[in-house]
Amino acid sequence: KNEVEQSPQNLTAQEGEFITINCSYSVGISALHWLQQHPGGGIVSLFMLSSGKKKHGRLIATINIQEKHSSLHITASHPRDSAVYICAGKNYGGSQGNLIFGKGTKLSVKP
Amino acid sequence: EAQVTQNPRYLITVTGKKLTVTCSQNMNHEYMSWYRQDPGLGLRQIYYSMNVEVTDKGDVPEGYKVSRKEKRNFPLILESPSPNQTSLYFCASSLSSGTGGAGGTQYFGPGTRLLVL
Repeated sequence: KNEVEQSPQNLTAQEGEFITINCSYSVGISALHWLQQHPGGGIVSLFMLSSGKKKHGRLIATINIQEKHSSLHITASHPRDSAVYICAGKNYGGSQGNLIFGKGTKLSVKP
Repeated sequence: EAQVTQNPRYLITVTGKKLTVTCSQNMNHEYMSWYRQDPGLGLRQIYYSMNVEVTDKGDVPEGYKVSRKEKRNFPLILESPSPNQTSLYFCASSLSSGTGGAGGTQYFGPGTRLLVL
């Protein structure tokens, strides 16, 4: 049983479209990460958030701890945004070091 | 340059031959962690360390050992590798600030691709 669910699993968009990727979790989360994995395999952290909303360039992440849901939005999508996006939660009340991952959303942005 | 390094990047080995994958960070981070990534299963946590001499199991620790004798290094040891440990391995580190431990921004190494025959 995967305690962190992402949707959709795969997403194809046209350049310029607004994109939303969702992350829902069944356990209490005290912090949530959004990660980007490039086609070459490298992983970078996009956001870490425990409440509200964060914005970085064309990327926006929101979280609602009570509803156990987070979203990652990409405005004016571009082919270079093509990657796998992964959410990961830090268990609330659990071990400080434990992270639970979603299986990822593969995004492809066509020119 | 702030970074997490892993060595080797690629490794082919045979069943039962002990191996070590090294991980080193130059950011003075307290928290370090190892993950494996497999198709269809995503990333899973193997072990993590909150600080020097403090390690704990993640979700898939069987068949692995770790040690944290120095703050900068966190090697992953496979005492007797088996084919089911063929995977892509990532090391990551973060400051233990804010919500602490895994709540800090994670910095990932480049990955180690392991094939066990």
